[in-house]
Amino acid sequence: GQNIDQPTEMTATEGAIVQINCTYQTSGFNGLFWYQQHAGEAPTFLSYNVLDGLEEKGRFSSFLSRSKGYSYLLLKELQMKDSASYLCAPMDSNYQLIWGAGTKLIIKP
Amino acid sequence: EADIYQTPRYLVIGTGKKITLECSQTMGHDKMYWYQQDPGMELHLIHYSYGVNSTEKGDLSSESTVSRIRTEHFPLTLESARPSHTSQYLCASQTGWDTGELFFGEGSRLTVL
Repeated sequence: GQNIDQPTEMTATEGAIVQINCTYQTSGFNGLFWYQQHAGEAPTFLSYNVLDGLEEKGRFSSFLSRSKGYSYLLLKELQMKDSASYLCAPMDSNYQLIWGAGTKLIIKP
Repeated sequence: EADIYQTPRYLVIGTGKKITLECSQTMGHDKMYWYQQDPGMELHLIHYSYGVNSTEKGDLSSESTVSRIRTEHFPLTLESARPSHTSQYLCASQTGWDTGELFFGEGSRLTVL
């Protein structure tokens, strides 16, 4: 079957760095998305990786290893507004996104 | 800014009612989706469309229908609402037919009494 594995919840301190890991199993692979979702709101796009390696976008970076079925999202210089759920979503051979429950990130002052 | 809109944002109705959730996008995207999401849980695919006159079933499609008569409009209909339908419904459109990011509407929060 297809599945996503992310930690359910993480806590970090304002100004620090946090890494959210994601392992996945899918039928085929056409890239992996990371989305941010604040409570009660819709997800918003953060990053897309289709090749192995690191993609950097401001304070956020995303890494992919296709052979390991592994990705991580790295958040630097954490701000209180980064408190949200982070969804790892690989795309399968049918170009459908596979969604997990995400990681709830709590930022403390 | 994504130009995708959902109405109503909030709806409380009684069991057995027929309801239609509206979704419109002005970006000219061909591929559109409907998802259902409960708090703290994953998104479940209900229906999707590749473009005009195309509709496909997702995992939770059995109790709802969709139509795609115009590119910009993708309404979701529940023929007979039940308390188990209480949830958040999210509409999304995609920049490409295969890859490309999804833009989500703000969601329709449905409560069935």
